[in-house]
Amino acid sequence: GESVGLHLPTLSVQEGDNSIINCAYSNSASDYFIWYKQESGKGPQFIIDIRSNMDKRQGQRVTVLLNKTVKHLSLQIAATQPGDSAVYFCAENPGGRLTGGGNKLTFGTGTQLKVEL
Amino acid sequence: DAGVIQSPRHEVTEMGQEVTLRCKPISGHDYLFWYRQTMMRGLELLIYFNNNVPIDDSGMPEDRFSAKMPNASFSTLKIQPSEPRDSAVYFCASRSSREQYFGPGTRLTVT
Repeated sequence: GESVGLHLPTLSVQEGDNSIINCAYSNSASDYFIWYKQESGKGPQFIIDIRSNMDKRQGQRVTVLLNKTVKHLSLQIAATQPGDSAVYFCAENPGGRLTGGGNKLTFGTGTQLKVEL
Repeated sequence: DAGVIQSPRHEVTEMGQEVTLRCKPISGHDYLFWYRQTMMRGLELLIYFNNNVPIDDSGMPEDRFSAKMPNASFSTLKIQPSEPRDSAVYFCASRSSREQYFGPGTRLTVT
């Protein structure tokens, strides 16, 4: 079946550097994508989302890029801080019929981001 | 707002016992979701409700699992009988118009 996958299971960066977390998806019908951050012992926390009619969206210190041609999603974190250390998940709404924020999300396996001081 | 509230935070039980997980969604949210997270399978959607009505339970692994939402402020996920392979972290999430807000999860261990 189609699924969302991540290229790198662990990413280590120096504090202050920029981080880039990548995600590949295979369902061309997916119309909505979300990045979540999960800290140890906590539930996933929404970071930023993007619809398939966009290729870039910016938030506070974060940017999501969507390349539909190669079915690739990335999360860029500027000036990475120790508090950014967590597991990051991408999720897609594969239904093709977007209702609000998407209900049947498919989550990737996650990338562990480690920020070194 | 206190966010999504789940109880208990940790549950240890013996195989064959009934387990009930509880969730209080954020007030005003009309969607509620139950997820399971394991190292092997990641985060999986089990079931979701809209206005207290179950919409899609295709992710529920088998008949041992059941979920109810008797009112807009409360939902339960029940496993009967529990098995060791049910050990996981179970998350509840709620949503109104956009993003899903997750609770802190219940870590279930079945011995």
